[in-house]
Amino acid sequence: KAGVTQTPRYLIKTRGQQVTLSCSPISGHRSVSWYQQTPGQGLQFLFEYFSETQRNKGNFPGRFSGRQFSNSRSEMNVSTLELGDSALYLCASSNGGADQTQYFGPGTRLLVL
Amino acid sequence: QKEVEQNSGPLSVPEGAIASLNCTYSDRVSQSFFWYRQYSGKSPELIMSIYSNGDKEDGRFTAQLNKASQYVSLLIRDSQPSDSATYLCAVNPGANNLFFGTGTRLTVIP
Repeated sequence: KAGVTQTPRYLIKTRGQQVTLSCSPISGHRSVSWYQQTPGQGLQFLFEYFSETQRNKGNFPGRFSGRQFSNSRSEMNVSTLELGDSALYLCASSNGGADQTQYFGPGTRLLVL
Repeated sequence: QKEVEQNSGPLSVPEGAIASLNCTYSDRVSQSFFWYRQYSGKSPELIMSIYSNGDKEDGRFTAQLNKASQYVSLLIRDSQPSDSATYLCAVNPGANNLFFGTGTRLTVIP
């Protein structure tokens, strides 16, 4: 079974721009969670989507948004990029049910200049 | 604020020794607990999950959970240089979002 895939793997943007990241979960998984990882703050939860609905949300500003499609693929968007948004963005896939195990994709490394 | 704390590192052990990694969490309603390994420049890789009090063994890895003490640990027996990585403790309070500790960097010395 193929793992979680994320595109693009690397991205360089400038302040004020916006960016869209994509995540395809493991086949059969209906839940996709997004995390931001930085050296200073570690791994922090952004939001979780299940069956095209945002089910949970972390403590991030409204510039961070996401969506999920009927095939469970998910996108995350960051508008008006700031230097502090430079981070590794990770998506994790789970079946969304009793088994809460999450499997991470390779991540998208975003650099904001 | 849900907090997950891990023993401060870095931790160095000789090859073949037992590495002990510890984690405490603040949210008493937490239901599931995970240990991930992250190599430098890579994404977290699941090592173990544990849901019930007691020990759970998988090869050289043993996870231990004590919900009364809000404590979860990971033991790595016969440590190998390839075990050198950052180990992340993660706690799921039931809403399918993970709260992570800051990680413990382990170095296994040949």
